[in-house]
Amino acid sequence: QQQVKQSPQSLIVQKGGISIINCAYENTAFDYFPWYQQFPGKGPALLIAIRPDVSEKKEGRFTISFNKSAKQFSLHIMDSQPGDSATYFCAATDPYSGAQKLVFGQGTRLTINP
Amino acid sequence: GAVVSQHPSRVICKSGTSVKIECRSLDFQATTMFWYRQFPKQSLMLMATSNEGSKATYEQGVEKDKFLINHASLTLSTLTVTSAHPEDSSFYICSASDRGRYEQYFGPGTRLTVT
Repeated sequence: QQQVKQSPQSLIVQKGGISIINCAYENTAFDYFPWYQQFPGKGPALLIAIRPDVSEKKEGRFTISFNKSAKQFSLHIMDSQPGDSATYFCAATDPYSGAQKLVFGQGTRLTINP
Repeated sequence: GAVVSQHPSRVICKSGTSVKIECRSLDFQATTMFWYRQFPKQSLMLMATSNEGSKATYEQGVEKDKFLINHASLTLSTLTVTSAHPEDSSFYICSASDRGRYEQYFGPGTRLTVT
C-alpha cells in the first residue's frame, strides 16, 4: 500500500518559472514531512521539512505548503534554475513506527530548461 | 554539519562472494542508521533499521541472513551482502539520525555490481 502518493512523475519547467510538486498521504499519524533532492548517482539530500502545526515553511527559493485537512503537502521552487534539475522525493514519518522510519513518495524528475 | 559518508562508492564483485559496505556519521552521533536499496528511476526502499548496540530490524521480505547489518558504534554501521548474486546489483544508501531528532541524513550511496 503506497502511503505517500507523489505527482507528477516528471516535470519540465522553464528557467525562472515556478516548479510545483505535490504529495498526498493517508496516515493521519504522520507528523514530519521532509523533501529530499537527489542528483544522479548520489544520495538524497535533505532540502526542507515541515511539521503539521504550520501551514507553510520557506527557505530561500524553496517553500513547503501543508494542508492538514486535505492531507496534502507540496514543494514550490521559485525562480527555478537549471541546477535544480534533479529527482525530488517527498516523505513522511510515523512517530509510532518505533524508529521514525521515512515513507517515501515515488519521486518526481524535474528538468529546468535554460 | 550532518555529514554521512559511505565506502566504497562503487564495487564490483563476482557471484558468490561477500561485500561489505561501511556507513559513517562524521560530525554527529548516529543513534539510528537506516539502509536503503534503490533501483534505477525508482524510489528508495527501506531494507533495515539499526540502533547502536542492538540487532537490526529488517523490513518484510528482506533476508536478514543475506544482508548482515552491524551497528557497533555511534558513528559506524556496516552492511554485508553475503553470497552475492547478480540480482543483488543495486544502489545501496545508508542514512543516519541522532537521538530524538526526525532528520535523516543520507550517505552518497554505493553502487554494487555483481558479475
